[in-house]
Amino acid sequence: DAGVTQTPRHEVAEKGQTIILKCEPVSGHNDLFWYRQTKIQGLELLSYFRSKSLMEDGGAFKDRFKAEMLNSSFSTLKIQPTEPKDSAVYLCASSLRLGGRLEQYFGPGTRLTVL
Amino acid sequence: TQTVSQSDAHVTVFEGDSVELRCNYSYGGSIYLSWYIQHHGRGLQFLLKYYSGNPVVQGVNGFEAEFSKSDSSFHLRKASVHWSDSAVYFCAVSPYTGNYKYVFGAGTRLKVIA
Repeated sequence: DAGVTQTPRHEVAEKGQTIILKCEPVSGHNDLFWYRQTKIQGLELLSYFRSKSLMEDGGAFKDRFKAEMLNSSFSTLKIQPTEPKDSAVYLCASSLRLGGRLEQYFGPGTRLTVL
Repeated sequence: TQTVSQSDAHVTVFEGDSVELRCNYSYGGSIYLSWYIQHHGRGLQFLLKYYSGNPVVQGVNGFEAEFSKSDSSFHLRKASVHWSDSAVYFCAVSPYTGNYKYVFGAGTRLKVIA
């Protein structure tokens, strides 16, 4: 089985640009999560989809961050406009959520640098 | 609201030593506890989980964890570490019903000296 795929692996953006990160979950999984990972804040949940419905829109992140799940096998995270403080690793994860199996499968992440 | 505390930011041991990485949580309902490992430059990988039954659960690569309701803990252990176990380890808590959102601890960086 293919794992979670994230593209691009690295992204460099100028302040104020719009960037779109992409994620393909494990086939058949019904939950999808976007996280931001930094050394200071650790793992922060940005968005959570359950069967393509948005369950969590990231609270403090929602003004410039927008995640969408276009179909069950593809999700995007748009950051608009980018700011230097957005520099981080963005991780996508998917989960089957069936019969007690809640473990998340993570992609390799996209490392974003905003200049 | 659930919280997760990993009291040790860094742990250094020698290859062949045993190790225990500590995790304490706070949450009032039924929970799903898990541990993940992250090697440098990679995503997190699932190690093991607990949500009911035997409080000692076995995971991959010789790792095990023990759930204690009285201590609100879920510590991870390995009897004999290998240099390849060097990584960051994350403890995570999720409600077992409802929104299934994970809360991750800050992580413990394990360094194994060969």
